[in-house]
Amino acid sequence: DAGVIQSPRHEVTEMGQEVTLRCKPISGHDYLFWYRQTMMRGLELLIYFNNNVPIDDSGMPEDRFSAKMPNASFSTLKIQPSEPRDSAVYFCASSSRGFDTEAFFGQGTRLTVV
Amino acid sequence: LAKTTQPISMDSYEGQEVNITCSHNNIATNDYITWYQQFPSQGPRFIIQGYKTKVTNEVASLFIPADRKSSTLSLPRVSLSDTAVYYCLVGDMNSGGYQKVTFGTGTKLQVIP
Repeated sequence: DAGVIQSPRHEVTEMGQEVTLRCKPISGHDYLFWYRQTMMRGLELLIYFNNNVPIDDSGMPEDRFSAKMPNASFSTLKIQPSEPRDSAVYFCASSSRGFDTEAFFGQGTRLTVV
Repeated sequence: LAKTTQPISMDSYEGQEVNITCSHNNIATNDYITWYQQFPSQGPRFIIQGYKTKVTNEVASLFIPADRKSSTLSLPRVSLSDTAVYYCLVGDMNSGGYQKVTFGTGTKLQVIP
């Protein structure tokens, strides 16, 4: 397996624009996680899915953020409208059994909102 | 809520054994302890996980005392390529009652030639 695949690797957008980040988890993994990493706040869990169903989105900072998982092999994180403070590295990860097992992270998407 | 406390940074010379200790005084009965490694511009990578006593794999050992209020990650004979940030995680329950893990600030390990 190629691991968790995220796209794009880098995204630069203007404030107010919609941004969509994409993730393909490892095949067979039932859990998918979206994290955000910044210097100030470190790694934060935004939302996670189990069997394509969102389980906990309490980490999503605002209503501008939304995430979907239409099938077992694809998830998106959307920010609309984007703001400069959304600039961060966004990681997607997947695991077979949730938090009590190894999670595999993607390479991340570095988002810059200008 | 289970929180973790780790040293912010550590330096070590190549070839030495490095021990990074993490405190988690409020760890819950069912929580596992997990360590991740992160290199710059990469996602975290799983190193080791344990529940109690000692766990060893090909890259590290994890020592957990009986009270489980702390844990120590041991890296034998570090090399320059082990320079990274190391995160200790334990299970956490957010306000909604769902289990999750919280990444703390991590320990930045600098290996010196």
